[in-house]
Amino acid sequence: DAKTTQPPSMDCAEGRAANLPCNHSTISGNEYVYWYRQIHSQGPQYIIHGLKNNETNEMASLIITEDRKSSTLILPHATLRDTAVYYCIVRQTGANNLFFGTGTRLTVIP
Amino acid sequence: GAVVSQHPSWVICKSGTSVKIECRSLDFQATTMFWYRQFPKQSLMLMATSNEGSKATYEQGVEKDKFLINHASLTLSTLTVTSAHPEDSSFYICSARDPRGLGVEQYFGPGTRLTVT
Repeated sequence: DAKTTQPPSMDCAEGRAANLPCNHSTISGNEYVYWYRQIHSQGPQYIIHGLKNNETNEMASLIITEDRKSSTLILPHATLRDTAVYYCIVRQTGANNLFFGTGTRLTVIP
Repeated sequence: GAVVSQHPSWVICKSGTSVKIECRSLDFQATTMFWYRQFPKQSLMLMATSNEGSKATYEQGVEKDKFLINHASLTLSTLTVTSAHPEDSSFYICSARDPRGLGVEQYFGPGTRLTVT
């Protein structure tokens, strides 16, 4: 699986959009981009995933660059409950497991 | 989304004893489940892949005789930490792959915090 690079930490004001970047310059054509988050002392929570098109669901939007070498997770209106570690993971279709990097610790500030 | 539960949510045991942690997929059948371990301020590390009806596949460096995994049904996998020692104290998290969608979503349990005294 391709490696990902994320900033170790970010702050975001409550109510503003949180834009979390992820670099995956070695991603291959059959690898999806996944985002999970982990709130303190809980199991990771699935957020969204995509292959090459932008995706949106009730939690977030995922913007993938045209060359697929990077992506951005957008939380449109961050709340205090969005404070968590966000993991960007790339994985091949049909592959079993997920390998977690160090993620980005997002702190939403009142 | 799909629901995965773990039991217990936390456990304290004495050194030398064994502890069993259960992982259940509540609303789907999971042929494959995964066990992760997470030490404080670190990321999740995959320990093993559990396949229903067959032996688990362990990651390099994980002792299969110490961390016994059983996946006897499509909704239950268990992890037994045998002869636990204080260095086994950690946050253990299971996950299961939901085959009903694209087969790519993996859902996680809430985790079990093990403290060995």
